[in-house]
Amino acid sequence: SQQGEEDPQALSIQEGENATMNCSYKTSINNLQWYRQNSGRGLVHLILIRSNEREKHSGRLRVTLDTSKKSSSLLITASRAADTASYFCATDAYNAGNMLTFGGGTRLMVKP
Amino acid sequence: EPEVTQTPSHQVTQMGQEVILRCVPISNHLYFYWYRQILGQKVEFLVSFYNNEISEKSEIFDDQFSVERPDGSNFTLKIRSTKLEDSAMYFCASSERGRTGELFFGEGSRLTVL
Repeated sequence: SQQGEEDPQALSIQEGENATMNCSYKTSINNLQWYRQNSGRGLVHLILIRSNEREKHSGRLRVTLDTSKKSSSLLITASRAADTASYFCATDAYNAGNMLTFGGGTRLMVKP
Repeated sequence: EPEVTQTPSHQVTQMGQEVILRCVPISNHLYFYWYRQILGQKVEFLVSFYNNEISEKSEIFDDQFSVERPDGSNFTLKIRSTKLEDSAMYFCASSERGRTGELFFGEGSRLTVL
């Protein structure tokens, strides 16, 4: 089934360092999105990258997409303690209608 | 800022009981979703709803589950006869453009089945 899988499952870094999370998926997609979830809260959309785009920036976030490798990465630069959260990629397949499928997430901890 | 609201925030029920989880999507959105998440793990797709009907559903969404948009503002998820394994956080989401745009999530309803 179409699914994003994040790597690593957990990441612990010091404030000020960069955090890189990766997402791999199985079938061709239209778009890939990244979401953030604070513990016990709802998911919040961060960024959407289309299949014909290779890189996108939003503030301290940088997302890349390599459709040939079926992978994406999310880079958070100059991390802050407030970036501590789980990060999920979500993909939609060509023939999946309105369905958006989430991966298992990366739990990021940023230590002050 | 418009937001998706969900009620109740937490429901405890006995196995076999019916549960209805309620959601008020953002008013101009046309696409509605239910997802669930067991103990902070994977976010699992349950169902998508557009134009007053189900557009996709997952294997999890069996005959015990149903969705409704009874009055043009609420979007409900009903579990007919709850099982222990239905214990999870249930998230409602809405979108203006479906999967081609961002989904706006509510804060979730935690369901505990005893």
